[in-house]
Amino acid sequence: NAGVTQTPKFQVLKTGQSMTLQCAQDMNHEYMSWYRQDPGMGLRLIHYSVGAGITDQGEVPNGYNVSRSTTEDFPLRLLSAAPSQTSVYFCASRRLVNTGELFFGEGSRLTVL
Amino acid sequence: SQELEQSPQSLIVQEGKNLTINCTSSKTLYGLYWYKQKYGEGLIFLMMLQKGGEEKSHEKITAKLDEKKQQSSLHITASQPSHAGIYLCGADLEGANSKLTFGKGITLSVRP
Repeated sequence: NAGVTQTPKFQVLKTGQSMTLQCAQDMNHEYMSWYRQDPGMGLRLIHYSVGAGITDQGEVPNGYNVSRSTTEDFPLRLLSAAPSQTSVYFCASRRLVNTGELFFGEGSRLTVL
Repeated sequence: SQELEQSPQSLIVQEGKNLTINCTSSKTLYGLYWYKQKYGEGLIFLMMLQKGGEEKSHEKITAKLDEKKQQSSLHITASQPSHAGIYLCGADLEGANSKLTFGKGITLSVRP
């Protein structure tokens, strides 16, 4: 099993550009989520989903959009990138029934100039 | 406001010493996760606790969830340089199987 796969691993954007961070999992997990990690701030939840067609906001949703058209995929869209969105982004998934480990992707480092 | 408080913020210990770090919430911790992260790398799952009073161990790391399910401690016995990194706790705060919230992390340094 591949687990949670994030792409790209690195990206540099200019202010105002848009992009999509891709996340896919092959474990049939209902729950998927996106976090951003900044120095000294831990992991902050951006958006999450408990199943296909269902998404909800986390702590820091502004400037980001998500959709969940399939169980496997949960892309994160930056509509108009800002320097404040420079961060490391992690996608994570887990089961909802008999909840166990939250599986993380390897992270995507985004720099907005 | 931070729903999960981790303490201390950072810690430097001499190799071989024991240490304890904490994760505290004013809300019930329905599921409590501990992760470790090396600088610039991904997250390593350590353990998950769900029941009040539950205690789990992995190698020299032991984590416990208190009876009231509002605090977890992580204890490292005979610390080694390989234990250095950022320790993050995450929890279901709005019921089981809800969104997972994380604390700010604790940076541990181990001096040889």
